[in-house]
Amino acid sequence: QKEVEQDPGPLSVPEGAIVSLNCTYSNSAFQYFMWYRQYSRKGPELLMYTYSSGNKEDGRFTAQVDKSSKYISLFIRDSQPSDSATYLCASDRGSTLGRLYFGRGTQLTVWP
Amino acid sequence: DAGVTQSPTHLIKTRGQQVTLRCSPKSGHDTVSWYQQALGQGPQFIFQYYEEEERQRGNFPDRFSGHQFPNYSSELNVNALLLGDSALYLCASSPARSYEQYFGPGTRLTVT
Repeated sequence: QKEVEQDPGPLSVPEGAIVSLNCTYSNSAFQYFMWYRQYSRKGPELLMYTYSSGNKEDGRFTAQVDKSSKYISLFIRDSQPSDSATYLCASDRGSTLGRLYFGRGTQLTVWP
Repeated sequence: DAGVTQSPTHLIKTRGQQVTLRCSPKSGHDTVSWYQQALGQGPQFIFQYYEEEERQRGNFPDRFSGHQFPNYSSELNVNALLLGDSALYLCASSPARSYEQYFGPGTRLTVT
């Protein structure tokens, strides 16, 4: 079983839609949770990060972590064609800072 | 402020050869991590360097080795290349003891 599981999609939505991206993880020791956005043939770009459970909002993006169910979510409001990319969730144990465990990524397309 | 830079951008090697990839971290960052991203997969942690020493290592064979220089830049070396080593190799930098990692654009390695 992989440490972080993510549905690869693809996910296709119309412009303006609310997008929900999800991951599950198996290791209870994970404390830090990140979302990266990766455009085709580019390196991942850090979008948001959270520590432990709770919500964090940044503009159109909201990251949510539920440690009781080991569930990580990213919501994108008013999605734009420029949001079309692969979204990667990642977790870090904290005790081994910097060793990120990634999901396989969800490919998102927002069509105009 | 230059972000993380990597060279070369693309590389084609023959099975059995050796390759060296290079990374310069973001200004102010002293920790460098390397990841391998196969097509359609999330990045997999190879190892991390801090204070010129390997601090953590993922599940990669000894054919993968690295080095960090006093200016914090880093190299990834892969010996006896296999077809399965074909991937995007990503370098990420962070300040010491931080979970926030910033990725470079990657080096795409093709082994024929």
